[in-house]
Amino acid sequence: RKEVEQDPGPFNVPEGATVAFNCTYSNSASQSFFWYRQDCRKEPKLLMSVYSSGNEDGRFTAQLNRASQYISLLIRDSKLSDSATYLCVVNIRYNTDKLIFGTGTRLQVFP
Amino acid sequence: DTEVTQTPKHLVMGMTNKKSLKCEQHMGHRAMYWYKQKAKKPPELMFVYSYEKLSINESVPSRFSPECPNSSLLNLHLHALQPEDSALYLCASSQGQVPSGRAYNEQFFGPGTRLTVL
Repeated sequence: RKEVEQDPGPFNVPEGATVAFNCTYSNSASQSFFWYRQDCRKEPKLLMSVYSSGNEDGRFTAQLNRASQYISLLIRDSKLSDSATYLCVVNIRYNTDKLIFGTGTRLQVFP
Repeated sequence: DTEVTQTPKHLVMGMTNKKSLKCEQHMGHRAMYWYKQKAKKPPELMFVYSYEKLSINESVPSRFSPECPNSSLLNLHLHALQPEDSALYLCASSQGQVPSGRAYNEQFFGPGTRLTVL
């Protein structure tokens, strides 16, 4: 079983749609959680950290359920510029930080 | 300013060459990372430096040799690479030791060096 699992997609949605991505992780000792976005041939960019209480940043809402070991990302009012791969990332902290990446979910927003 | 810079942007090398990748950050971060990313795959951790000391080596072949000359710089020395080592090499940095009570330690990535080994 992969340590961080995501649906690879692609998710093809029209502009203005709401889309949700889910992610599960296997290590119950995981300490912190993130969503990164990665455009084609570019570096991953931090989209949001995901806190136990859930957090929102504009059109983006992230939720964490530690009991179910489940993370989600909701994007409202999708824009063409949201087209990218969304990486679910978990930090397994031992002596130092170690990020474990999911394989990513591809989102394509069409006009 | 959350900026990590990497040079060169692109590198083509033969299997007998020796080259180096460079990474720099001026955010005062004390942890720096090297990742390798193949096409359509997520980044894979190679090395972690914490306070200028190597703290994680993910069983990387010895033809990759990391170096951390100071807290702002990270190098990756390459020699006798194989064609399958062709990939995007990403550097990242993070604060390192976070204040107590704060579990999150976000990593910020540089733009990467796209390496082709012929």
